[in-house]
Amino acid sequence: QKEVEQDPGPLSVPEGAIVSLNCTYSNSAFQYFMWYRQYSRKGPELLMYTYSSGNKEDGRFTAQVDKSSKYISLFIRDSQPSDSATYLCAMSDSGGSNYKLTFGKGTLLTVNP
Amino acid sequence: DSGVTQTPKHLITATGQRVTLRCSPRSGDLSVYWYQQSLDQGLQFLIQYYNGEERAKGNILERFSAQQFPDLHSELNLSSLELGDSALYFCASSVGGGYQETQYFGPGTRLLVL
Repeated sequence: QKEVEQDPGPLSVPEGAIVSLNCTYSNSAFQYFMWYRQYSRKGPELLMYTYSSGNKEDGRFTAQVDKSSKYISLFIRDSQPSDSATYLCAMSDSGGSNYKLTFGKGTLLTVNP
Repeated sequence: DSGVTQTPKHLITATGQRVTLRCSPRSGDLSVYWYQQSLDQGLQFLIQYYNGEERAKGNILERFSAQQFPDLHSELNLSSLELGDSALYFCASSVGGGYQETQYFGPGTRLLVL
């Protein structure tokens, strides 16, 4: 079992739709949860960052973390064609000498005008 | 633009060869990370340097090595290249290298091994 599982999609939605992207993980030591957006032929850029469980909202984006279920989600409201990209979830544990970010494989999202 | 620069953008080479990828972090960032992204493995952490010292190691092969220089730029050396090393290689940087810090990614180097 991989540490982080993410449905690769592809996911295709009409403009204005609500998009739900999800990741599950197996390592209960993960405390920091991130969503990155990666446009084609570009590096990933940080979208949302959450510590431990709960929700975080930023404009049209909402990140949710459910540590009891080891499940994280990213919701995009009123999706736009400019949201078309690959979305990667990433996680890290609470520190120590072997810090690293563990990424999901990414979900390719296309928002059609 | 994240402020992280990587050169070259593209690299085509043959099996058995050695290449060097270069990364300049954002101004003021002390920590540099290297990642490999391939279709089958996704984005995988390779190694982290902080202010010239190796801080953490991930899934980095013995044929690969890295270093961070006094001016904080970093180089990733890939030797005895195999077809399977073809991938996108990203560098990222952060201010201090802590687990809670935002990492800013460069545009990547696309390596093709023929």
